[in-house]
Amino acid sequence: GESVGLHLPTLSVQEGDNSIINCAYSNSASDYFIWYKQESGKGPQFIIDIRSNMDKRQGQRVTVLLNKTVKHLSLQIAATQPGDSAVYFCAETRKAAGNKLTFGGGTRVLVKP
Amino acid sequence: DSGVTQTPKHLITATGQRVTLRCSPRSGDLSVYWYQQSLDQGLQFLIQYYNGEERAKGNILERFSAQQFPDLHSELNLSSLELGDSALYFCASSVDLGGETQYFGPGTRLLVL
Repeated sequence: GESVGLHLPTLSVQEGDNSIINCAYSNSASDYFIWYKQESGKGPQFIIDIRSNMDKRQGQRVTVLLNKTVKHLSLQIAATQPGDSAVYFCAETRKAAGNKLTFGGGTRVLVKP
Repeated sequence: DSGVTQTPKHLITATGQRVTLRCSPRSGDLSVYWYQQSLDQGLQFLIQYYNGEERAKGNILERFSAQQFPDLHSELNLSSLELGDSALYFCASSVDLGGETQYFGPGTRLLVL
Protein backbone atom coordinates (compact mmCIF):
# COMPACT_ATOMS: atom_id res chain seq x y z
CA GLY A 1 0.00 0.00 0.00
CA GLU A 2 0.77 3.60 0.04
CA SER A 3 3.23 4.71 2.65
CA VAL A 4 1.67 6.72 5.42
CA GLY A 5 4.90 7.90 6.99
CA LEU A 6 3.54 10.15 9.71
CA HIS A 7 3.41 7.93 12.76
CA LEU A 8 5.88 5.12 13.03
CA PRO A 9 4.85 2.22 15.24
CA THR A 10 7.68 1.28 17.55
CA LEU A 11 8.77 -2.15 18.63
CA SER A 12 10.90 -2.25 21.77
CA VAL A 13 12.77 -5.48 22.20
CA GLN A 14 15.30 -6.75 24.68
CA GLU A 15 18.72 -7.57 23.31
CA GLY A 16 18.89 -11.27 22.53
CA ASP A 17 15.14 -11.67 22.06
CA ASN A 18 13.48 -12.34 18.73
CA SER A 19 11.70 -9.52 16.88
CA ILE A 20 8.72 -9.81 14.59
CA ILE A 21 7.79 -6.92 12.33
CA ASN A 22 4.55 -7.05 10.39
CA CYS A 23 3.44 -5.45 7.17
CA ALA A 24 0.15 -5.50 5.29
CA TYR A 25 0.34 -4.89 1.56
CA SER A 26 -2.45 -3.78 -0.69
CA ASN A 27 -1.85 -5.05 -4.20
CA SER A 28 -2.71 -8.71 -4.72
CA ALA A 29 -0.88 -8.56 -8.06
CA SER A 30 2.46 -7.77 -6.39
CA ASP A 31 4.95 -10.52 -7.07
CA TYR A 32 8.10 -9.43 -5.30
CA PHE A 33 8.54 -8.22 -1.74
CA ILE A 34 11.54 -6.75 -0.01
CA TRP A 35 12.44 -5.75 3.52
CA TYR A 36 14.70 -2.75 3.98
CA LYS A 37 16.43 -1.41 7.07
CA GLN A 38 17.04 2.31 7.38
CA GLU A 39 19.36 3.71 10.01
CA SER A 40 19.29 7.35 10.91
CA GLY A 41 20.81 9.51 8.18
CA LYS A 42 21.29 6.62 5.77
CA GLY A 43 19.55 5.14 2.77
CA PRO A 44 17.41 2.01 2.92
CA GLN A 45 19.55 -1.10 3.11
CA PHE A 46 18.40 -4.39 1.58
CA ILE A 47 17.81 -7.14 4.14
CA ILE A 48 15.91 -9.95 2.46
CA ASP A 49 13.43 -10.52 -0.33
CA ILE A 50 10.79 -13.05 -1.30
CA ARG A 51 8.88 -13.79 -4.46
CA SER A 52 5.17 -14.50 -4.57
CA ASN A 53 5.69 -18.18 -5.38
CA MET A 54 7.26 -18.72 -1.96
CA ASP A 55 5.88 -18.38 1.55
CA LYS A 56 9.08 -18.41 3.55
CA ARG A 57 12.68 -17.44 3.03
CA GLN A 58 15.54 -17.46 5.48
CA GLY A 59 18.69 -15.42 5.64
CA GLN A 60 21.29 -14.87 8.27
CA ARG A 61 19.29 -14.24 11.49
CA VAL A 62 16.32 -13.08 9.43
CA THR A 63 13.26 -14.87 8.08
CA VAL A 64 10.55 -13.43 5.87
CA LEU A 65 7.09 -14.97 5.78
CA LEU A 66 4.55 -14.22 3.09
CA ASN A 67 0.85 -14.93 3.42
CA LYS A 68 -0.78 -14.06 0.13
CA THR A 69 -4.24 -15.03 1.30
CA VAL A 70 -4.37 -12.15 3.76
CA LYS A 71 -1.73 -10.01 2.00
CA HIS A 72 0.60 -10.05 4.96
CA LEU A 73 4.36 -10.02 5.19
CA SER A 74 6.48 -10.41 8.30
CA LEU A 75 10.15 -10.11 9.13
CA GLN A 76 11.57 -12.12 11.99
CA ILE A 77 14.93 -11.17 13.45
CA ALA A 78 16.54 -13.76 15.67
CA ALA A 79 18.64 -12.80 18.69
CA THR A 80 18.14 -9.07 18.15
CA GLN A 81 21.27 -6.98 18.62
CA PRO A 82 21.78 -3.26 19.33
CA GLY A 83 22.88 -2.82 15.71
CA ASP A 84 19.41 -3.91 14.62
CA SER A 85 17.93 -0.68 15.96
CA ALA A 86 16.55 1.09 12.90
CA VAL A 87 13.37 1.70 10.92
CA TYR A 88 12.25 -1.30 8.89
CA PHE A 89 10.21 -0.94 5.71
CA CYS A 90 8.48 -3.55 3.65
CA ALA A 91 8.16 -2.85 -0.05
CA GLU A 92 6.15 -4.49 -2.81
CA THR A 93 6.45 -4.41 -6.55
CA ARG A 94 5.20 -6.01 -9.74
CA LYS A 95 7.60 -6.80 -12.51
CA ALA A 96 4.91 -5.76 -15.02
CA ALA A 97 4.76 -2.35 -13.33
CA GLY A 98 8.41 -1.68 -14.06
CA ASN A 99 9.69 -2.63 -10.63
CA LYS A 100 8.72 0.60 -8.89
CA LEU A 101 8.61 -0.05 -5.18
CA THR A 102 5.62 0.81 -3.03
CA PHE A 103 6.72 1.15 0.58
CA GLY A 104 4.86 0.52 3.77
CA GLY A 105 4.92 3.11 6.53
CA GLY A 106 7.80 1.57 8.45
CA THR A 107 8.31 0.22 11.96
CA ARG A 108 10.91 1.56 14.34
CA VAL A 109 12.78 -1.13 16.26
CA LEU A 110 14.49 -0.12 19.50
CA VAL A 111 16.78 -2.69 21.06
CA LYS A 112 17.22 -2.35 24.80
CA PRO A 113 20.52 -3.57 26.22
CA ASP B 1 28.08 0.51 1.13
CA SER B 2 25.52 -0.25 -1.58
CA GLY B 3 27.69 0.92 -4.47
CA VAL B 4 25.21 3.66 -5.38
CA THR B 5 26.58 7.16 -4.94
CA GLN B 6 24.70 10.42 -4.66
CA THR B 7 25.84 14.02 -4.56
CA PRO B 8 25.54 16.38 -2.87
CA LYS B 9 24.88 14.95 0.57
CA HIS B 10 23.17 18.13 1.76
CA LEU B 11 21.64 21.04 -0.10
CA ILE B 12 20.18 24.23 1.32
CA THR B 13 18.44 26.61 -1.04
CA ALA B 14 15.67 29.16 -1.21
CA THR B 15 12.13 28.99 -2.54
CA GLY B 16 11.88 29.51 -6.26
CA GLN B 17 15.34 28.15 -6.95
CA ARG B 18 16.40 25.17 -9.04
CA VAL B 19 18.71 22.36 -7.98
CA THR B 20 20.20 19.26 -9.57
CA LEU B 21 20.78 16.03 -7.69
CA ARG B 22 23.17 13.48 -9.09
CA CYS B 23 23.26 9.70 -8.86
CA SER B 24 25.71 7.07 -10.05
CA PRO B 25 24.28 3.55 -10.07
CA ARG B 26 26.11 0.40 -9.08
CA SER B 27 28.48 -0.87 -11.69
CA GLY B 28 26.54 -2.89 -14.24
CA ASP B 29 23.08 -1.69 -13.19
CA LEU B 30 20.99 -0.32 -16.02
CA SER B 31 17.94 0.89 -14.09
CA VAL B 32 17.90 3.98 -11.91
CA TYR B 33 15.03 4.97 -9.65
CA TRP B 34 14.37 8.17 -7.74
CA TYR B 35 12.43 8.27 -4.48
CA GLN B 36 11.41 11.08 -2.16
CA GLN B 37 11.23 10.58 1.59
CA SER B 38 9.38 13.22 3.56
CA LEU B 39 8.03 13.16 7.09
CA ASP B 40 4.39 13.26 6.02
CA GLN B 41 4.51 11.01 2.96
CA GLY B 42 7.14 8.41 3.74
CA LEU B 43 9.08 6.89 0.85
CA GLN B 44 7.47 7.67 -2.50
CA PHE B 45 8.54 6.53 -5.95
CA LEU B 46 9.17 9.39 -8.36
CA ILE B 47 10.56 8.04 -11.63
CA GLN B 48 12.53 5.19 -13.21
CA TYR B 49 15.01 5.19 -16.06
CA TYR B 50 16.36 2.17 -17.85
CA ASN B 51 19.38 2.42 -20.11
CA GLY B 52 18.71 6.07 -20.81
CA GLU B 53 14.96 5.89 -21.31
CA GLU B 54 12.14 6.79 -18.97
CA ARG B 55 10.28 3.62 -17.98
CA ALA B 56 7.88 4.45 -15.17
CA LYS B 57 6.55 7.52 -13.47
CA GLY B 58 5.16 7.86 -10.01
CA ASN B 59 4.05 10.88 -8.04
CA ILE B 60 6.50 13.25 -9.66
CA LEU B 61 5.57 16.90 -9.89
CA GLU B 62 5.74 18.70 -13.22
CA ARG B 63 8.37 21.00 -11.67
CA PHE B 64 10.63 17.96 -11.33
CA SER B 65 12.39 16.21 -14.16
CA ALA B 66 15.08 13.60 -14.53
CA GLN B 67 17.34 12.08 -17.10
CA GLN B 68 19.79 9.22 -17.45
CA PHE B 69 22.95 9.79 -19.42
CA PRO B 70 24.87 7.39 -21.71
CA ASP B 71 27.27 6.56 -18.86
CA LEU B 72 24.12 5.58 -16.88
CA HIS B 73 24.41 8.24 -14.21
CA SER B 74 21.20 10.10 -13.55
CA GLU B 75 20.22 13.60 -12.53
CA LEU B 76 17.04 14.77 -10.85
CA ASN B 77 16.20 18.41 -11.50
CA LEU B 78 13.91 20.22 -9.09
CA SER B 79 12.75 23.68 -10.08
CA SER B 80 10.58 26.47 -8.65
CA LEU B 81 11.28 24.97 -5.28
CA GLU B 82 8.72 25.23 -2.51
CA LEU B 83 9.06 24.73 1.23
CA GLY B 84 7.24 21.42 0.90
CA ASP B 85 9.94 20.04 -1.37
CA SER B 86 12.24 19.75 1.62
CA ALA B 87 12.91 16.04 1.94
CA LEU B 88 15.43 13.28 1.49
CA TYR B 89 15.87 12.24 -2.12
CA PHE B 90 17.14 8.74 -2.75
CA CYS B 91 18.41 7.12 -5.85
CA ALA B 92 18.33 3.35 -6.26
CA SER B 93 19.60 1.08 -8.98
CA SER B 94 18.96 -2.45 -10.17
CA VAL B 95 20.44 -4.69 -12.79
CA ASP B 96 17.52 -4.84 -15.16
CA LEU B 97 13.96 -3.69 -15.71
CA GLY B 98 12.00 -5.46 -13.05
CA GLY B 99 11.81 -8.08 -10.42
CA GLU B 100 15.21 -7.60 -8.88
CA THR B 101 16.52 -5.97 -5.80
CA GLN B 102 16.99 -2.24 -5.78
CA TYR B 103 20.01 -0.90 -3.94
CA PHE B 104 19.75 2.57 -2.47
CA GLY B 105 22.25 5.37 -2.27
CA PRO B 106 22.88 7.45 0.87
CA GLY B 107 20.48 10.18 -0.25
CA THR B 108 20.55 13.94 -0.67
CA ARG B 109 18.94 15.97 2.08
CA LEU B 110 17.28 19.04 0.57
CA LEU B 111 16.22 21.94 2.73
CA VAL B 112 14.24 24.74 1.09
CA LEU B 113 14.10 27.92 3.13
